[in-house]
Amino acid sequence: QVQLQESGPGLVKPSETLSLTCAVSGDSVNSDPYYWSWIRQSPGKGLEYIGHIFYSGSTSYNPSLKSRVTISFDTSKNQFSLRLSSVTAADTAVYHCARTTVVGPVDFWGQGILVTVYS
Amino acid sequence: SYVLTQPPSVSVAPGETARISCGGNNIGSKGVHWYQQKPGQAPVVVIYYDSDRPSGIPERFSGSNSGNTATLTISRVEAGDEADYYCQVWDTNNDFGVFGPGTKVTVL
Repeated sequence: QVQLQESGPGLVKPSETLSLTCAVSGDSVNSDPYYWSWIRQSPGKGLEYIGHIFYSGSTSYNPSLKSRVTISFDTSKNQFSLRLSSVTAADTAVYHCARTTVVGPVDFWGQGILVTVYS
Repeated sequence: SYVLTQPPSVSVAPGETARISCGGNNIGSKGVHWYQQKPGQAPVVVIYYDSDRPSGIPERFSGSNSGNTATLTISRVEAGDEADYYCQVWDTNNDFGVFGPGTKVTVL
């Protein structure tokens, strides 16, 4: 059973960079053909796909966030990370990390971490 | 990028059938996945690739996809089915996932 756990600061100031890490167990992030994804959900709103890193290391991002997003691996720790720069209040959301099948559904989700952008 | 539409809410009496639509341009040519999300929980896939059901999901959940509309059908609705439901497809042009806005299912 694959398990994912998000970690990072719950509060970020406007204009700063949001940084989150996802620890993966039950699978190796760089050995099987899956997307390792970040998905967010603003309070009371729907789901938004931020982007992913493929097991090979290639990345793809939502065009609406592309200029501010970086997703990367730390294979020594079997983790992957999200960096979102120049945050505003609109970036306040629950951030989920997830494993996504290639051009398919998300099959495993982390529980999510609430990140609030406040001044 | 690709846009999906869903009705904001659907209300259904216990034992009846709930149908949730997901609209998109020629969505019938894409694989559609459906998620159930209860308050405070991560989403769970209930239908994938239009009509496949993961193990552990009741047979009461079914899906179809044709033309410009995909549909999630919940038969013999139970109180425990009350949740938000999201459809999702893959935007192959930009290589990322696209979610519908979600439908809140209320069991009367």
